Order: sequence, then C-alpha cells, then structure tokens
Amino acid sequence: SQQGEEDPQALSIQEGENATMNCSYKTSINNLQWYRQNSGRGLVHLILIRSNEREKHSGRLRVTLDTSKKSSSLLITASRAADTASYFCATDAVLIGRGGSNYKLTFGKGTLLTVNP
Amino acid sequence: DGGITQSPKYLFRKEGQNVTLSCEQNLNHDAMYWYRQDPGQGLRLIYYSQIVNDFQKGDIAEGYSVSREKKESFPLTVTSAQKNPTAFYLCASSMALSGGHYNEQFFGPGTRLTVL
Repeated sequence: SQQGEEDPQALSIQEGENATMNCSYKTSINNLQWYRQNSGRGLVHLILIRSNEREKHSGRLRVTLDTSKKSSSLLITASRAADTASYFCATDAVLIGRGGSNYKLTFGKGTLLTVNP
Repeated sequence: DGGITQSPKYLFRKEGQNVTLSCEQNLNHDAMYWYRQDPGQGLRLIYYSQIVNDFQKGDIAEGYSVSREKKESFPLTVTSAQKNPTAFYLCASSMALSGGHYNEQFFGPGTRLTVL
C-alpha cells in the first residue's frame, strides 16, 4: 500500500511563483525524503528530514514535517521552468538483514509540477 | 564518473519471453533495489539486496527474479509469469547505514519495457 500520498496530483504555476506540495503518511517514520523525477528519467534525491526535525532548508527548497499530523510539505521558492518535474515523497521502514541496516522506501504517487515561463 | 547505469533504455518483448534488465553501479554501495513505475504512479519495490549473494522480495516480486553475484551488479529478469510487465523499471543503490546515519537512494536512468 502507498505510505505517502502527495497533494495536489498536479500543480501549474508561473515562473517566479512559489510551489507548495504536501505529503501525508499513515504510520510512524524514521525520516521522510523528497525526490524529483524529470519525465522518463530516474529519481534524484532532494532532501531528507528526520522525524525529530520540524523544518529543513536546502537552497530554494524548504521542507516541513509535522509528525503529529503525519504530514510534510515541500516548498520551492522563486520557481523556474527547469523545476518542471514530478516530485515524490518517500517514507522509510528499516530493513535489517545480513548486510546491516538499510531503508525500504515507500513512495507516493507524486505531484506533477509545471512551471510556465 | 561514479554512478548507476541501466541498460537497455528501451526494451521490447514478445509475450511469453523472459527478458533481463541490467543494473550496474560503481558507487561501492552495498544495497541495491529494483522498482517498477506505472504511468502516473509512484514506485513499487520488486526486489532488494543488502549484500552480495543475498536478496529479498519486495512488495510485488511475483513474476520477477534477481541475482546478486557481484557487488556492482543486480540484474532483474522479467519472466513470462509476470502478467502485466509493460512498465518503467528503475534500479537504485544506497550505502549501508552505520553510526546512525541515514542514507539516500541513488537511481539509474531507467529501462522502459514494452510487451508486444
């Protein structure tokens, strides 16, 4: 089942505007990650926020996490046409095996962001 | 250049045929993953491997098989038992956790498989 669910499914804005995408999840997490995917390409990691953090910044990106509401938001400020992509949140479950610990990531369906020049 | 590569980029298969998708990484990562992505959907985990010669089923392993004979390589075979194999397949890798550090997954460019 999908753990993270992004909202909205699609967002269209003008260059220079801010874009906000939301993610809700159902069970407790260790951390939450946001990824970006250009059409037909692989995913690129954007930012990770730990469960004990409330806000994190990276360049024009701002991520918030509200564990009481089981939700996160990704804000892209001063958007550019090159920001056009799908954005996914991913929540984790720890896998413990012979190789040590790793995360199994569960992805939402994503938000398709279109930034118009 | 360090990275993760997948080949081929596009693959066409006739019904009833097995096909193998390649995934190679030179990042010295211990863990590797295979995901399937359908149009307008998120990623679903097929198989993962945390160490050489060991792998585990993900959420949708039926109709797929993998091997992990080398740290750098994690090929995925889509068998004829997979009823709806047309999809975009993504391979990823990550470092093993140590000292409480969290890790991101690095993705390859993907293989688009179409069954004719």
